[in-house]
Amino acid sequence: QQQVKQSPQSLIVQKGGIPIINCAYENTAFDYFPWYQQFPGKGPALLIAIRPDVSEKKEGRFTISFNKSAKQFSLHIMDSQPGDSATYFCAAPITQGGSEKLVFGKGTKLTVNP
Amino acid sequence: DTAVSQTPKYLVTQMGNDKSIKCEQNLGHDTMYWYKQDSKKFLKIMFSYNNKELIINETVPNRFSPKSPDKAHLNLHINSLELGDSAVYFCASSPLAGVGDHEQYFGPGTRLTVT
Repeated sequence: QQQVKQSPQSLIVQKGGIPIINCAYENTAFDYFPWYQQFPGKGPALLIAIRPDVSEKKEGRFTISFNKSAKQFSLHIMDSQPGDSATYFCAAPITQGGSEKLVFGKGTKLTVNP
Repeated sequence: DTAVSQTPKYLVTQMGNDKSIKCEQNLGHDTMYWYKQDSKKFLKIMFSYNNKELIINETVPNRFSPKSPDKAHLNLHINSLELGDSAVYFCASSPLAGVGDHEQYFGPGTRLTVT
């Protein structure tokens, strides 16, 4: 079953645009929602993460918005640049069988055109 | 310095063969993982070890066997390779067991192609 639903699957914007990627989760072990960024041929790397004490977190041009009641969180990229072109994954912590694991969304391929 | 390294980076082999992928982390982390990323980029956990002890074993064919000789190394051995095993395999590590709010550090991946 898909415990983290991510949309859209792909996104194309012009330089300077504000792409928004959305994620919805079902049940989590606790409130910690990271976004990972993956460039072609590389492993994913943590981009930004939000914890339960805030509804929004901003790091540079990247912002996470978190809506606990709706079980949704989203990534906004301000003033997007061609170098932001990558695949973005949201994730949520799930407890299953007594162990915790990160469950990833299916990814969003972002293309920022010059 | 490479934090999480994997060898080999590319692996091309025939169906039925047995192969291994090695992973090492120099971050001093206690927990290591194996993930599989399929052709659609879907990233799914396979195994997790904490201090050499297996703590997560997803529904993975028993042809896949992880081995952790020490907490800095986690290897993946695959027996009787099948076409469907073709994917990119990522090793990752994190400071503590349980995802908590701990960042996971991923290796560069091993692209396995089974022909």
